[in-house]
Amino acid sequence: NAGVTQTPKFRILKIGQSMTLQCTQDMNHNYMYWYRQDPGMGLKLIYYSVGAGITDKGEVPNGYNVSRSTTEDFPLRLELAAPSQTSVYFCASSYQTRTTEAFFGQGTRLTVV
Amino acid sequence: RKEVEQDPGPFNVPEGATVAFNCTYSNSASQSFFWYRQDCRKEPKLLMSVYSSGNEDGRFTAQLNRASQYISLLIRDSKLSDSATYLCVVNGENYGGSQGNLIFGKGTKLSVKP
Repeated sequence: NAGVTQTPKFRILKIGQSMTLQCTQDMNHNYMYWYRQDPGMGLKLIYYSVGAGITDKGEVPNGYNVSRSTTEDFPLRLELAAPSQTSVYFCASSYQTRTTEAFFGQGTRLTVV
Repeated sequence: RKEVEQDPGPFNVPEGATVAFNCTYSNSASQSFFWYRQDCRKEPKLLMSVYSSGNEDGRFTAQLNRASQYISLLIRDSKLSDSATYLCVVNGENYGGSQGNLIFGKGTKLSVKP
C-alpha cells in the first residue's frame, strides 16, 4: 500500500531558485494538505484542497503555490526560495477533514542556502 | 493564548512508568480531537482519536474536558518503543486560514529509559 508519496526526500536549493515538491495519494481521498514543520515547532498548514480544482490558503501560504488538477496529485511550488523556507514539508490526505485520520507522506527536508 | 498548547517536556521516564500529557485548546467550537505520534525524523501518525466520554486503547487512555478545553493522554506501563513526540491535534473549526483543518500543538517529547 503506497498511501501518500512525496518526492524528493531531500533537497538543497540556492536562494532565488524554484522547485516543486510532488505529492500523490492512492487512497481516493478528497482532502489534501501541505504542512511545514520547523525544528521544535508544530506543523503549520500552508495550503489545502477539498477536491480536484479547489485549493485554499492555510496559515502560512506566502511564498508557495499549489494546484490540484487530479484527485491523486497535489504539488507544492516554491518560487524564489528564501532561507526562511528551510523546513520539513509534509503532504497529507484524508477522506474528510473533521473526523477522520490524516495520512502523511514521509516528508521532504528542504534546505535553502 | 496559543491555539493548541502542550506540556513543554521532555519527559524522561523509566520503563514501566505511567506518564501523562496535557493539552489545552483555545477554540471552544472545535469538534474533533486527536493524539498523533511522531518518531524522530518521521511523519506524524494517528495514535488515537479523543472522544467526549474518554477512550482507551490498550495502555493508552485519552480524556477530553470540553468545559476546560483540555485534553489528556495517559500512557501506562511505558515501553522503550513509546519513545517519540506526542502531538495534540484539534480541528480548527472557524479559524481564519485553517477552516475546518487540523491544528497541531508543538508536541511533547517522551524518552523511556531502560
